[in-house]
Amino acid sequence: QKEVEQNSGPLSVPEGAIASLNCTYSDRGSQSFFWYRQYSGKSPELIMFIYSNGDKEDGRFTAQLNKASQYVSLLIRDSQPSDSATYLCAVKNTGNQFYFGTGTSLTVIP
Amino acid sequence: DAGVIQSPRHEVTEMGQEVTLRCKPISGHNSLFWYRQTMMRGLELLIYFNNNVPIDDSGMPEDRFSAKMPNASFSTLKIQPSEPRDSAVYFCASSDPLAASYNEQFFGPGTRLTVL
Repeated sequence: QKEVEQNSGPLSVPEGAIASLNCTYSDRGSQSFFWYRQYSGKSPELIMFIYSNGDKEDGRFTAQLNKASQYVSLLIRDSQPSDSATYLCAVKNTGNQFYFGTGTSLTVIP
Repeated sequence: DAGVIQSPRHEVTEMGQEVTLRCKPISGHNSLFWYRQTMMRGLELLIYFNNNVPIDDSGMPEDRFSAKMPNASFSTLKIQPSEPRDSAVYFCASSDPLAASYNEQFFGPGTRLTVL
């Protein structure tokens, strides 16, 4: 079982819609959760992090964490073509190790 | 700050040759990470250093891979001998655990390695 699992997609949504990206993790003791965005040919950049159960909002982005279900998600409201990228879920586990999912490819259609 | 600097940006070599990848972390960051990214396996942590000391190298695939950090501003990842299955993008990242509780990692531009 992989430490972090994501649907690889591709996920396509129309401009202005909500994009929903999901991630599950295996280490129940994990405490820190991150979403990185990676444009094609570029390096990952951090867009959101979350520690506590519930929702965390930052502009058009909302991260949701459910530790009981070992599930973390990212919602992108009012999706824009510039949001088209691969989104990587990352988890820092109890051993202070970072694990990344393989990423979900998102395309926002104008 | 210039961000994390990696060199070379692209490397094409033949099987059996030695490859050395270089990284300069952001000044003041005391944690440094080497990752490998492929389509099949995604982003994999190879090794990370804290204060120039290797903390976890469990991700290093085999003895052909070695990494060093002789000082706070420089690290190398060496593959000897290289094999075609080593072809990937190699990222270096750095962080300052004391700067923010969430320990954000800043990634360099990556080195795209092709082993023929």
